[in-house]
Amino acid sequence: QSALTQPPSASGSPGQSVTISCTGTSSDVGGYNYVSWYQQHPGKAPKLMIYEVSKRPSGVPDRFSGSKSGNTASLTVSGLQAEDEADYYCSSYAGSNNFGVFGTGTKVTVL
Amino acid sequence: EVQLVQSGAEVKKPGESLKISCKGSGYSFTSYWIGWVRQMPGKGLEWMGIIYPGDSDTRYSPSFQGQVTISADKSISTAYLQWSSLKASDTAMYYCVKAPTAMVEADYWGQGTLVTVSS
Repeated sequence: QSALTQPPSASGSPGQSVTISCTGTSSDVGGYNYVSWYQQHPGKAPKLMIYEVSKRPSGVPDRFSGSKSGNTASLTVSGLQAEDEADYYCSSYAGSNNFGVFGTGTKVTVL
Repeated sequence: EVQLVQSGAEVKKPGESLKISCKGSGYSFTSYWIGWVRQMPGKGLEWMGIIYPGDSDTRYSPSFQGQVTISADKSISTAYLQWSSLKASDTAMYYCVKAPTAMVEADYWGQGTLVTVSS
């Protein structure tokens, strides 16, 4: 099972928006509505930001939103803030045989 | 408050065995899945497997099937990840996670256990 493809980096100025893509196949992203996104600051454990493609857990700012079209999922961070600078990983369920797969990760820099 | 507390860092030699733990609290341990995620130094995240402590239903990622064993003791709300013979390539941070379903979406993460395998 290959990792989902994410751009290595993305950036934006404070207040701007940044969108991160996560491309898989019809066997994972395109086949299930179980795409989640995680934020990881250096030296810390990841944190769930989006689940089931577009749902936000309690406590996650509504600046974070998720969507999916075909085999590509996206995470958008609106109104960028300094604390949003982190690595972001997508994840998708890939069926009972292939289990689950993470994306390659994207480093978001707030300029 | 949901918490997953993992055992401390380990330094082992190649060929040695190891079992690390993850204790859940603040929720019904037997009603949710516990998963394990590997992060090698400077690298991304990888799903290893998950277990449902309620009935010990266990599923492995194909990449980790046969390489590790996942188990749980529901009497003490603790899940385990174990190796019978460590390799240098097992050096990584290992996270346990709580997942509402078997669809590998992790809503809570442990603090991580760093495993270093070196001769």
